[in-house]
Amino acid sequence: SYVLTQPPSVSVAPGQTARITCGGNNIGSESVSWYQKKPGQAPMLVVYDDSDRASGIPGRFSGSNSGNTATLTISRVEAGDEGDYSCQVWDSSSDHVLFGGGTKLTVL
Amino acid sequence: QVTLKESGPLLVKPTESLTLTCTVSGFSLNNPRLGVSWIRQSPGKALEWLAHIFSDDDKSYSTSLKTRLTISKDTSRSQVVLTMADVDPVDTGTYYCARITMFYYYMDVWGKGTTVTVSS
Repeated sequence: SYVLTQPPSVSVAPGQTARITCGGNNIGSESVSWYQKKPGQAPMLVVYDDSDRASGIPGRFSGSNSGNTATLTISRVEAGDEGDYSCQVWDSSSDHVLFGGGTKLTVL
Repeated sequence: QVTLKESGPLLVKPTESLTLTCTVSGFSLNNPRLGVSWIRQSPGKALEWLAHIFSDDDKSYSTSLKTRLTISKDTSRSQVVLTMADVDPVDTGTYYCARITMFYYYMDVWGKGTTVTVSS
């Protein structure tokens, strides 16, 4: 079955750029979505179809997808960006939705 | 405004069945481009997709839970129901329903979630 691999954690200083990766076999041929989850809150869609920002998401958030890696990039990181970020694809062969293991973003 | 709201028991005993209801507003379960997914997150674990259902009653289930899950919808009541049979303490967690689009299969609006504990 298809597996999405994310680093468990990423740390970045305020104002710097955070890059969170999502690895998968030929993931570049899939449509990747990204979700942000903060403690006690529901997940929130951040990016869909690889690079389209969801409604209300600031321009500091961007996505890319090529080869075996999709990346969520957060520029000028703020303390409020802390949380868990998960990538997601739809496996058309099985009609299953798949999530990555999640990455905890810490703002130092 | 699109909203989804989960409801169900807070506590379920092992081996019992768990029934969760998602009540939606702001969109129709008859919309051919939209469906509803159930996702859960157990303590310390990643998000886990459970099932989804679309307007034409097309359903899909997580392979690992397929034998225990049933998803259905009542369009007139704007509700999607997920039943999980034979629950175990490992099923403890927060259960979310979310609207899913047929194109690109992303979940753009989520409910706040309902926390379920499986314990005797």
